Amino acid sequence: ILNVEQSPQSLHVQEGDSTNFTCSFPSSNFYALHWYRWETAKSPEALFVMTLNGDEKKKGRISATLNTKEGYSYLYIKGSQPEDSATYLCAFKNSGYSTLTFGKGTMLLVSP
Amino acid sequence: DGGITQSPKYLFRKEGQNVTLSCEQNLNHDAMYWYRQDPGQGLRLIYYSQIVNDFQKGDIAEGYSVSREKKESFPLTVTSAQKNPTAFYLCASSQDRDTDTQYFGPGTRLTVL
Repeated sequence: ILNVEQSPQSLHVQEGDSTNFTCSFPSSNFYALHWYRWETAKSPEALFVMTLNGDEKKKGRISATLNTKEGYSYLYIKGSQPEDSATYLCAFKNSGYSTLTFGKGTMLLVSP
Repeated sequence: DGGITQSPKYLFRKEGQNVTLSCEQNLNHDAMYWYRQDPGQGLRLIYYSQIVNDFQKGDIAEGYSVSREKKESFPLTVTSAQKNPTAFYLCASSQDRDTDTQYFGPGTRLTVL
């Protein structure tokens, strides 16, 4: 079983703050790294998938970077809003596996 | 609207009873997955199917069974052999065999009394 770690476990910020989370994964046999957003009472929703070292993805105020050589990805949220409150999951795909391995998630709470 | 449906949202069963969770998708995806979530844990893969009439065990398959008789449907049976069946169960599907981007249903919370 592959080990995918996310930190911090939870985060509480004020509206307007910028924040970032980390996903660490095995650096060998990398194939793809996913970020999902999971809002309470909803289904997890795909945010980004990254496949190349140095990849950067952006969707509105949310962006992600990827370092496959050292085995980490950062997710950034600029100017957090209450609607950004959710659990953010990362999922790693190894070239030797046909399925995803998920981290435990980072729970973000943004207060008005 | 295309999507994945899971029913029911909440399910209660007595210990020792088998229970089947439904998962249906109209996205025409080949691959389907079942995950379990427990407090403080990530999503753990129970079973997956990449094509009709074929399925594979995931990391925690013991005490569970599945079938994939139709492309649209991937029901999960939680048997009495599953020692800790109370959990939140998520179904997903994917058409991207490359990166495996998955689309999730709303989940079923199973409580065994």
